[in-house]
Amino acid sequence: DGGITQSPKYLFRKEGQNVTLSCEQNLNHDAMYWYRQDPGQGLRLIYYSQIVNDFQKGDIAEGYSVSREKKESFPLTVTSAQKNPTAFYLCASTMDGTEAFFGQGTRLTVV
Amino acid sequence: GQQVMQIPQYQHVQEGEDFTTYCNSSTTLSNIQWYKQRPGGHPVFLIQLVKSGEVKKQKRLTFQFGEAKKNSSLHITATQTTDVGTYFCAGWDNYGQNFVFGPGTRLSVLP
Repeated sequence: DGGITQSPKYLFRKEGQNVTLSCEQNLNHDAMYWYRQDPGQGLRLIYYSQIVNDFQKGDIAEGYSVSREKKESFPLTVTSAQKNPTAFYLCASTMDGTEAFFGQGTRLTVV
Repeated sequence: GQQVMQIPQYQHVQEGEDFTTYCNSSTTLSNIQWYKQRPGGHPVFLIQLVKSGEVKKQKRLTFQFGEAKKNSSLHITATQTTDVGTYFCAGWDNYGQNFVFGPGTRLSVLP
């Protein structure tokens, strides 16, 4: 089945650690996105990529990094510079002008 | 840059009442999409509108795209508890390059 997969579903991070969230899609979509969602809030764009080896900062990129070495994969690293990383992270993919498909999300908690 | 706004931010209704959320873009859109996110879940695509003035229905849900292709609305008739969640609009700009989500309207339905 075609789809978009995020892993892990739950992630715990100690303060000062970097963690990487995985996002893989087999939909052959060019564009991929990372969003952060805090409880009861909307989607805030962290980074997006419209083509392999290229990506752009979204509205809240500070403390995060991404790579797009393969069309299928768009991992997000939450660095120690992100002071308040506890949130629900959603990855999505689209083709130009079409609907977005979302992964199941990763809930990151700082312990 | 392109901005998409939604009102209201929250709406509490009694089961059986109607509900409407409005979406407004700062720029003309090539299309508008609507998504629903159930509590604890990820956004799921509901529908896409492309034509100016287009109206589409899905059972109790009616979607409308404005004549100027800068606004849209989602109307739910006779809400049910299964309608609970956050409704997001999202739009592609006229070049198909930028894809932006609105902040969402969170619907609560009291039984």
